[in-house]
Parts: sequence; C-alpha cells; structure tokens
Amino acid sequence: AQKVTQAQTEISVVEKEDVTLDCVYETRDTTYYLFWYKQPPSGELVFLIRRNSFDEQNEISGRYSWNFQKSTSSFNFTITASQVVDSAVYFCALSEAGRIGYGNKLVFGAGTILRVKS
Amino acid sequence: DTEVTQTPKHLVMGMTNKKSLKCEQHMGHRAMYWYKQKAKKPPELMFVYSYEKLSINESVPSRFSPECPNSSLLNLHLHALQPEDSALYLCASSYRELNTGELFFGEGSRLTVL
Repeated sequence: AQKVTQAQTEISVVEKEDVTLDCVYETRDTTYYLFWYKQPPSGELVFLIRRNSFDEQNEISGRYSWNFQKSTSSFNFTITASQVVDSAVYFCALSEAGRIGYGNKLVFGAGTILRVKS
Repeated sequence: DTEVTQTPKHLVMGMTNKKSLKCEQHMGHRAMYWYKQKAKKPPELMFVYSYEKLSINESVPSRFSPECPNSSLLNLHLHALQPEDSALYLCASSYRELNTGELFFGEGSRLTVL
C-alpha cells in the first residue's frame, strides 16, 4: 500500500527565515511520482512540483527547493527567506504510474500548516 | 486563476434535499476527479472518470452519484446526505495521455448539510 507521512503538523516561522517541510513516502512501485501542492485559504490546491522516481536531481525554483532521496524515501521541501504569502497548508503526495485509461490515484500526506509571521 | 471551475462555491442543504455540484474544464483533459476534504484533513479520492467513463469508485456511498456528460463537465449529484458529509468537495482534471499524475484542482465547493 502507498503511504505519505508528513510528521510536522504545524510550523511557525518569522518572515525571512528558511523553513523545511518533511515528507516520507512508502510504495512498492518502481515507477511513481511525487508532488508538492500548496493549499491557501481559498481552498484550491496549487501544484508546485512533480518528481518521477527515476529523477533524483534536486530542483530549485526561486525561493523553493526540493530534495529527493530514494535511499531514505524522502522528498523534502525548503522555502528560503519565507514570506507571509507562503502561509498555507502544504501537502506532499504520491501517485502510482497508473494503468492507461484509468486516471491516477493521488495519495496525500496529512499536510503541514505553515504560518509565516511578519 | 484556476482553469478548473467549480460551482457553486458554497452550498447549504437539508438531509432530504437533492442538489448537484458542477465542475468544468477546457484544457482538453480526459481524466476528471472528485475529492472530498474534511477540515484539517487531506483530500480523499472519491471518483475518477477517464474518457467520460467511471474508472475508479472508492467505495463511496450511493447518496453521492457522479456523472460525466462530456469531456469538459463533471457533476456530483447529492441526495439524502448526512451532516457528516459536510466538507469541501474538490474537482480535478489531468492529461490522461501523459499519465504523469499531475492534477489541476478547482477551488472547491464547500458543502454544509444541516
């Protein structure tokens, strides 16, 4: 069975601090995808990044960076110089490769509430 | 702005009412999804449609009835709901062909059952 664990329920930081959100996953599949989504108070889930299981390169996008390590089944997310607008719930998610024509099942972690104070 | 549009944004209904949630996307996606999200919980998959056919039903009670009239529209018909069904209902879509798992979500319909 697939499982995603986000051990940090809530994190509070002061603006301009760096913050890392942890994500640990379990899967028996050799091909899978990992995601981070942001959910602001408006409710919409905003896609941040996708990583496939064969690509362990870390990625940086502006203030965001991701560290994917298959050896520890982790896919951590770091926000550098956090801003108040970063306050949201962040979900890590795992998708099996899926059977053609059947869509994709996206399994979410419990989410981490990030509060950035000015 | 999200490219997946959900209406209504808020809905209050009694346990004997019949109502529907609507979702629309014009990105040419051929897979569409309904997720249910309770407060302070992650979204939980309810249904998946692929090419207008139901491909996944996560053992959802029959008081929730999905419908996919065409590739751009997805409905969720509600009947005889219970107060515990109050939640945020999220619609999503994805490129079936690429099969990469990325889902595009709408802002959700917040349902309150009295």
